[in-house]
Amino acid sequence: ETGVTQSPTHLIKTRGQQVTLRCSSQSGHNTVSWYQQALGQGPQFIFQYYREEENGRGNFPPRFSGLQFPNYSSELNVNALELDDSALYLCASSLERARSYNEQFFGPGTRLTVL
Amino acid sequence: AQKVTQAQTEISVVEKEDVTLDCVYETRDTTYYLFWYKQPPSGELVFLIRRNSFDEQNEISGRYSWNFQKSTSSFNFTITASQVVDSAVYFCALSPGSNYQLIWGAGTKLIIKP
Repeated sequence: ETGVTQSPTHLIKTRGQQVTLRCSSQSGHNTVSWYQQALGQGPQFIFQYYREEENGRGNFPPRFSGLQFPNYSSELNVNALELDDSALYLCASSLERARSYNEQFFGPGTRLTVL
Repeated sequence: AQKVTQAQTEISVVEKEDVTLDCVYETRDTTYYLFWYKQPPSGELVFLIRRNSFDEQNEISGRYSWNFQKSTSSFNFTITASQVVDSAVYFCALSPGSNYQLIWGAGTKLIIKP
């Protein structure tokens, strides 16, 4: 157990809809990163939040957005869902604004299916 | 380019055999970090090891060992006397010193048969 939780576990949406995924970080961890993991592939970095501000972004369009709250929870929002958005979405928390050399603690993920 | 290659898509061995998972990386950064994570069927990624680019010492932790060779840009992972519980997908990842991302390989699915 990493102390990182995500909800919901599974989600089914249709193309064009919007979705919000939630993550609760380990207590005291002020950095959260979100990843998209398509079936059979490694995770792809979406973005990172540090102290409630976006701290870096991977190659994802603006319809992927996020929020981080003072209580160590965070959200990933995806607008105008596309079929290719179907994936496992992972959040990871870490202590300090990481140049990723700090260990990241991963949640169990949310499996999103877009029909 | 920053890249991690895990050429072995799937490996299947019988319990108690030793198995090595290969990882080759590319980066122009002189400072970087390398990681191995395990992903069991439950989906949660489990941290195994972190190594920085200035520390080429090999590391052993129980049945796990890691061989870091900068000359060949490789960071291989060996499980000795494998057990069924080792069955999982294993990912190698690179953190370039110049940014905050983790760059992941495609993973190697390890199947340990009883």
